[in-house]
Amino acid sequence: GESVGLHLPTLSVQEGDNSIINCAYSNSASDYFIWYKQESGKGPQFIIDIRSNMDKRQGQRVTVLLNKTVKHLSLQIAATQPGDSAVYFCAEIAGGTSYGKLTFGQGTILTVHP
Amino acid sequence: ETGVTQSPTHLIKTRGQQVTLRCSSQSGHNTVSWYQQALGQGPQFIFQYYREEENGRGNFPPRFSGLQFPNYSSELNVNALELDDSALYLCASSLGGVMAKNIQYFGAGTRLSVL
Repeated sequence: GESVGLHLPTLSVQEGDNSIINCAYSNSASDYFIWYKQESGKGPQFIIDIRSNMDKRQGQRVTVLLNKTVKHLSLQIAATQPGDSAVYFCAEIAGGTSYGKLTFGQGTILTVHP
Repeated sequence: ETGVTQSPTHLIKTRGQQVTLRCSSQSGHNTVSWYQQALGQGPQFIFQYYREEENGRGNFPPRFSGLQFPNYSSELNVNALELDDSALYLCASSLGGVMAKNIQYFGAGTRLSVL
């Protein structure tokens, strides 16, 4: 049978630590990026977005960094809490399309220990 | 809460049957996208509807079809179900048109099991 998360990268941190989740994208035409958090049994929840004319954007306890040169995206979570435990996905939309097709990365499992 | 609601939450069907999944979008949103999420994977884009027209389609066969209604709610229909169609089906609403690259807000999904 198939095991949930068997092939997903994992990140384990202690409560209060800062977490960094990385994502590589392959489409150099992508110009809009979103980070989502998905808890077990729920749909993806919006965290933060960034457009390609920016290289950094901050939200509440979260920062997204975009490096277009190496096609890399990262999500930084400050003072990680047990409630942050979830699967985190980066998603991208390619430029030049007339519609918003989100292409998701493979996801990273974040586990926060009290 | 995103204001996007999906029904039913769970569904069990047998191979060859047909299924209809429903989605109510967030107030003010005119675009609905559907995604299929297999266990342990990221969501895969099925198609998107904008103002009652299919606005884009992913790599899914024609037995996956949809509708969007004047109130912007939407249906996903799958005919001739196969075992591999077992997945979580997610609906996302957004504000489309010339600002198509906007945040998509997801519902909780419908878990479909095909036996």
